[in-house]
Amino acid sequence: GQSLEQPSEVTAVEGAIVQINCTYQTSGFYGLSWYQQHDGGAPTFLSYNALDGLEETGRFSSFLSRSDSYGYLLLQELQMKDSASYFCAVKRIIFGKGTRLHILP
Amino acid sequence: DAGVIQSPRHEVTEMGQEVTLRCKPISGHNSLFWYRQTMMRGLELLIYFNNNVPIDDSGMPEDRFSAKMPNASFSTLKIQPSEPRDSAVYFCASGGTSGYNEQFFGPGTRLTVL
Repeated sequence: GQSLEQPSEVTAVEGAIVQINCTYQTSGFYGLSWYQQHDGGAPTFLSYNALDGLEETGRFSSFLSRSDSYGYLLLQELQMKDSASYFCAVKRIIFGKGTRLHILP
Repeated sequence: DAGVIQSPRHEVTEMGQEVTLRCKPISGHNSLFWYRQTMMRGLELLIYFNNNVPIDDSGMPEDRFSAKMPNASFSTLKIQPSEPRDSAVYFCASGGTSGYNEQFFGPGTRLTVL
């Protein structure tokens, strides 16, 4: 089967760095995507990793290790507006259950 | 571009009634996806279309659900008859031709079946 595992909740302090992990099990892997969803909103695309390594986009970075079937999303200089749920996804259509990020002032 | 447009944004109906959700994808996108999101089950793919043709409908729960895409700018998801367990947020998303990459979600339809 196909599955993605990510922590259900993570808590961090404003201004700090937080890492959200995702492990996956899937056939025909092409890449790992990340989405952000605020309460009451729609998922919005953050990043996509097709190759091993780190991709940086502003305060957000995403990492992939295909050999370990593992990736993570790194959020730096956390702001209160980053409080949201974060989803990893494979094959464009299979989403993890999401990680709810709580940020403390 | 206005992004993906969904209507209605909220729908409250009674069990047994027919419900039709509508979606207008981003112009030029050739893929369209219908998802359902609940607290218990997370974000689940129901069906997706490529160039207006249904490619994978394995996520459609049962025969009560049907989806159509008569042209590149319009799709519907119909539930007939509706049941309380169908209560969820239904998202439509569209994507371009960039392979296994990003998709753009509409604002969703919050469906409540009483």
